[in-house]
Amino acid sequence: AQSVAQPEDQVNVAEGNPLTVKCTYSVSGNPYLFWYVQYPNRGLQFLLKYITGDNLVKGSYGFEAEFNKSQTSFHLKKPSALVSDSALYFCAVRDTARAAGNKLTFGGGTRVLVKP
Amino acid sequence: KAGVTQTPRYLIKTRGQQVTLSCSPISGHRSVSWYQQTPGQGLQFLFEYFSETQRNKGNFPGRFSGRQFSNSRSEMNVSTLELGDSALYLCASRSPSGPQETQYFGPGTRLLVL
Repeated sequence: AQSVAQPEDQVNVAEGNPLTVKCTYSVSGNPYLFWYVQYPNRGLQFLLKYITGDNLVKGSYGFEAEFNKSQTSFHLKKPSALVSDSALYFCAVRDTARAAGNKLTFGGGTRVLVKP
Repeated sequence: KAGVTQTPRYLIKTRGQQVTLSCSPISGHRSVSWYQQTPGQGLQFLFEYFSETQRNKGNFPGRFSGRQFSNSRSEMNVSTLELGDSALYLCASRSPSGPQETQYFGPGTRLLVL
């Protein structure tokens, strides 16, 4: 069965400092990996994805993530955090194994707090 | 392109009642999935519909059901509501499989069961 782990419930960072949100996954087939952000009382907003190709993927609002197959990780990064980046971040995986279907499995979420 | 729309945005029901939530996917998307988000269980997959057929189902009781119409709009129904059904219900519209595949989420319907 597919699973996702986000080991940190909360990440605190000062504005202007680098931001990293960690994610590891487990699948039986090849993974499709996604990051979403959720602001209060809102749905999930797509940030970026890894399907195939370059291990470093760039997404919206200056975010990027690196796919590491050997470590089964897909950490989200931003070189310089903004106060407006404060939100709840979710990592998700879709297992491309035939039996897995098209469902996304989500990590528990990491709350990011960027302090001025 | 318009995004995923969900109605209603907020709903208050009492135990034992039933509720129907609606989702309109992005134009051209034929796959719609539903997820439940709660503080305790996080985001959990309910089911996926594609071309009016349920393709995949999560681990939820039979009180949770859904359907999809020929225009790809989807509804989910919860019967005999329980307090634990209070949650944010999210609908996702999926672009075709392959390099462009992405699930785009609507704003959600927040259901409160009293």
